[in-house]
Amino acid sequence: EAGVTQFPSHSVIEKGQTVTLRCDPISGHDNLYWYRRVMGKEIKFLLHFVKESKQDESGMPNNRFLAERTGGTYSTLKVQPAELEDSGVYFCASSQILSSYEQYFGPGTRLTVT
Amino acid sequence: GDSVTQMEGPVTLSEEAFLTINCTYTATGYPSLFWYVQYPGEGLQLLLKATKADDKGSNKGFEATYRKETTSFHLEKGSVQVSDSAVYFCALSDRGSNDYKLSFGAGTTVTVRA
Repeated sequence: EAGVTQFPSHSVIEKGQTVTLRCDPISGHDNLYWYRRVMGKEIKFLLHFVKESKQDESGMPNNRFLAERTGGTYSTLKVQPAELEDSGVYFCASSQILSSYEQYFGPGTRLTVT
Repeated sequence: GDSVTQMEGPVTLSEEAFLTINCTYTATGYPSLFWYVQYPGEGLQLLLKATKADDKGSNKGFEATYRKETTSFHLEKGSVQVSDSAVYFCALSDRGSNDYKLSFGAGTTVTVRA
């Protein structure tokens, strides 16, 4: 069974540019989460999808961040325009509905904004 | 809100040494507790978990006991190996919420020397 995959693994962009991160969850996992770790600090929750619906987006830092999950499969996280403080590692995780406390993480996307 | 505080690193040990990483938490509800590990170049992996007070999670020689009275979930291993070098994250999920999002500590980098 394939795990959670994320693309790209690393992205370097200039301030003001746009970047789109992609996450493919484990097949059959209805829950999809985005997290971010900035500057070696704690990993923070961004948002949670159940299928294609946003269940909780309380962790999204501002309206420069837009997450989508069309069709309830893969998800994208767009940052537009990117700022220096957006640099960090963005993790995606997925879980099944019936065992939602156990989340499976992808390898992360390292975003560097210069 | 929920929060996790874990021992700051980095921690450097010799092989076969005893490892302890302290973790305490604050939660409004009755959380499930986790330790995740990130090996170099890889994503987060669930190391162990405990879902109720006095439960002991264990895996790969690591153990942690859910102590409700001290709100702690310290990670221990009796004899570390070089392959245990990684970043360790303590986390909780509030089962009273309906999205099971994880709250993480800042991570502890552990390096084991041969």
